[in-house]
Amino acid sequence: EIVLTQSPATLSLSPGESATLSCRASQSVSNYLAWYQQKPGQAPRLLIYDASNRATGIPARFSGSGSGTDFSLTISSLEPEDFAVYYCQQRINWPITFGQGTRLEIK
Amino acid sequence: QVQLVESGGGVVQPGRSLRLSCAASGFTFRNYAMHWVRQAPGKGLEWVAAISYDVSQEYYADSVKGRFTISRDNPKNTLYLQMNSLRAEDTAVYYCAREMYSSSWNHIFDYWGQGTLVTVSS
Repeated sequence: EIVLTQSPATLSLSPGESATLSCRASQSVSNYLAWYQQKPGQAPRLLIYDASNRATGIPARFSGSGSGTDFSLTISSLEPEDFAVYYCQQRINWPITFGQGTRLEIK
Repeated sequence: QVQLVESGGGVVQPGRSLRLSCAASGFTFRNYAMHWVRQAPGKGLEWVAAISYDVSQEYYADSVKGRFTISRDNPKNTLYLQMNSLRAEDTAVYYCAREMYSSSWNHIFDYWGQGTLVTVSS
């Protein structure tokens, strides 16, 4: 099973600042990594797939990068609605696995 | 528009069974692989099970293998999760999710339902 480790667990920033979230895989997942956003009481929402492709309707301030075992999600100029929990997910191997999440909170 | 609506959750005693449903609309259901993903209270996401668009393949997390069965009724546009021998650690919100591309596995979840809560407790 591929283990995804996200860091930091919690990130405290202010609106307008830039956020960088990390996801490290226990073995290479090539570029088969996705990022999801989840707000309280809501289902996850797909943000980024295959490491760097924005999903439909996702603002350009969200960007993803990386390959192999190290990946990043960057949110430039945080908006109030961006404060949420973010998960990475690999799709190269069964079982599909998620990271434990990074909580992005308002400072 | 794509809609996924789960139902069937509730409170159930350990060892008992429950069947979840996910009603799909707004897309050609029979063309897409589907998944169940769960989230224990206050915890992260855990993938549970998947079924191919044509019902030929099923996959399960080790934590549910042998106890849960995923199925689908394509003419009824409905996905199911039969959960047997339930345990306290199965308590979670269960989401159904659609894969992004049709007719092949890709494991990118572009649409999710709102979830249904399953509580296993005596």
